[in-house]
Amino acid sequence: DAGVIQSPRHEVTEMGQEVTLRCKPISGHNSLFWYRQTMMRGLELLIYFNNNVPIDDSGMPEDRFSAKMPNASFSTLKIQPSEPRDSAVYFCASSLPQGANEQYFGPGTRLTVT
Amino acid sequence: SQELEQSPQSLIVQEGKNLTINCTSSKTLYGLYWYKQKYGEGLIFLMMLQKGGEEKSHEKITAKLDEKKQQSSLHITASQPSHAGIYLCGADHTGNQFYFGTGTSLTVIP
Repeated sequence: DAGVIQSPRHEVTEMGQEVTLRCKPISGHNSLFWYRQTMMRGLELLIYFNNNVPIDDSGMPEDRFSAKMPNASFSTLKIQPSEPRDSAVYFCASSLPQGANEQYFGPGTRLTVT
Repeated sequence: SQELEQSPQSLIVQEGKNLTINCTSSKTLYGLYWYKQKYGEGLIFLMMLQKGGEEKSHEKITAKLDEKKQQSSLHITASQPSHAGIYLCGADHTGNQFYFGTGTSLTVIP
């Protein structure tokens, strides 16, 4: 099993540009989570999906952030326009049905907005 | 997250020493998860606890969940440099919301 796959691993962009982060969950997992990790705020849940449907997006910072899951094997997190304060490591994780199953994390995307 | 408080924030121990990391919640937990993270990498699942009083072990790491299901401890026996990293507890409060603690940075000096 390849595990959770994220791309790109590193992204450097200028303020105002659009950024798209990608995630491929583990096959058979029907819950997918997007997290953001910073030194100041630690690991924060942004949004999660069950069976491709967004369940809780209360962690999404603002309208500049959007996430989609068009099918069971792919999800994107988009930031438009990006700002320097968006610089962080973004993790995607997947699990079997939410509630009693551990989450498997991808390697993360390190985003730097200059 | 303020939902989960971890202590200590950082820990430096000599190789071979035992150590304990605590995770406390103000709410009853449906599930408590322990993860380990190495710098620049994703989180690796260690253990999950669900029942009050439950205790699980994996190699030299033992985790416990108290009877009220509001506090968990992670204990490492005879620490090794390979144990170094950031330990995070994660909790499921309602079955639909998941939070992580602030993390504990562990350094093991050979």
